[in-house]
Amino acid sequence: SQQGEEDPQALSIQEGENATMNCSYKTSINNLQWYRQNSGRGLVHLILIRSNEREKHSGRLRVTLDTSKKSSSLLITASRAADTASYFCATVINAGGTSYGKLTFGQGTILTVHP
Amino acid sequence: GAVVSQHPSRVICKSGTSVKIECRSLDFQATTMFWYRQFPKQSLMLMATSNEGSKATYEQGVEKDKFLINHASLTLSTLTVTSAHPEDSSFYICRGSSAGWLRAEAFFGQGTRLTVV
Repeated sequence: SQQGEEDPQALSIQEGENATMNCSYKTSINNLQWYRQNSGRGLVHLILIRSNEREKHSGRLRVTLDTSKKSSSLLITASRAADTASYFCATVINAGGTSYGKLTFGQGTILTVHP
Repeated sequence: GAVVSQHPSRVICKSGTSVKIECRSLDFQATTMFWYRQFPKQSLMLMATSNEGSKATYEQGVEKDKFLINHASLTLSTLTVTSAHPEDSSFYICRGSSAGWLRAEAFFGQGTRLTVV
């Protein structure tokens, strides 16, 4: 079953603009991760944020986590045409046991950045 | 970084035949392998979780007799789609996980696009 719901489902912006994607989840988590996928290809891990963290940065990416609202956001600043892809959040509920590292994915946001 | 090598990347097969997909962890011991399926324009859905040397645990709605998973070693896991039908056409991707917190996040295979005709 899907843990996360993302919005918007699709986002279309111009190069140079910022893109913000949101993810909500239902149960308590150990960590939340963001992935990128280009047109049905493999997944690229972008960033992981743990439940005791509120914000993380990586290059042009900024991720926030609000565990009280069970939500996260991914901000891509100064977007480029090459950022066009699908972006997924994924949650890890348990960090141990036989289901260690089990990821549950959200529905994803399709981002299109126009040159 | 750690690598999971998945083969084949694309496969086309006839309806009724079986297809085997392999995932190898190249530089770490994949104590757990997760298998996901992704239909066009949809998200990734977990199919099953396998721990080395144990039977796989399948998610609700996934037929274990149709999707055979073998994880006999710490470096190799296979998914066999038996008696494939057009509705099994999908993108299948594995993810190897190893004990150790810092290594939890990044070991996906490249994925296999299966087309059943």
